[in-house]
Amino acid sequence: DTEVTQTPKHLVMGMTNKKSLKCEQHMGHRAMYWYKQKAKKPPELMFVYSYEKLSINESVPSRFSPECPNSSLLNLHLHALQPEDSALYLCASTQGRGEDTGELFFGEGSRLTVL
Amino acid sequence: LAKTTQPISMDSYEGQEVNITCSHNNIATNDYITWYQQFPSQGPRFIIQGYKTKVTNEVASLFIPADRKSSTLSLPRVSLSDTAVYYCLVDNFNTNAGKSTFGDGTTLTVKP
Repeated sequence: DTEVTQTPKHLVMGMTNKKSLKCEQHMGHRAMYWYKQKAKKPPELMFVYSYEKLSINESVPSRFSPECPNSSLLNLHLHALQPEDSALYLCASTQGRGEDTGELFFGEGSRLTVL
Repeated sequence: LAKTTQPISMDSYEGQEVNITCSHNNIATNDYITWYQQFPSQGPRFIIQGYKTKVTNEVASLFIPADRKSSTLSLPRVSLSDTAVYYCLVDNFNTNAGKSTFGDGTTLTVKP
């Protein structure tokens, strides 16, 4: 199984809503990532988890709250978002141990629209 | 972290070979060079990875000169379905702690 699965594929939410994005991989990878991608822009790194601990937070606003319940799951909790947070949110994973050459495995993304 | 520079866009015709060059002047000794392809509203997909010299797989070749300050992705006989954005990343998880940062990428348009 070489897949990273993201749910939901599409999400529409109001600025006062609380929602979550989910990501799952069963490749035994120990590093998982959240990226945000706006139209016609490259993916922008948000968070990195290594061995279920948050290792990188790229100064992301607190309305985005990541969580890594176990080595296979990664969540992104969303609260009080702004319309400018509308984007494609990508989850990725990599081996994160041993001779890790940095190859990233991406999910198909969750398209978020904030009204 | 090594910064990468690629052409913003390239045009080609079906059946032609396309070469996309990426510049990474401050690549570190342990960094690997990885290329990804991305279609609209989809996640990036791994194409090829190399450390030095030449690597070939079923979809592409990667040429890396001895100084490793640049790399060239070669796509043989492109088709319309190769129209996508191509990203070059220079990274090593163990040394960069997972800070895998994308550059602006190259938008390849294949015409009939």
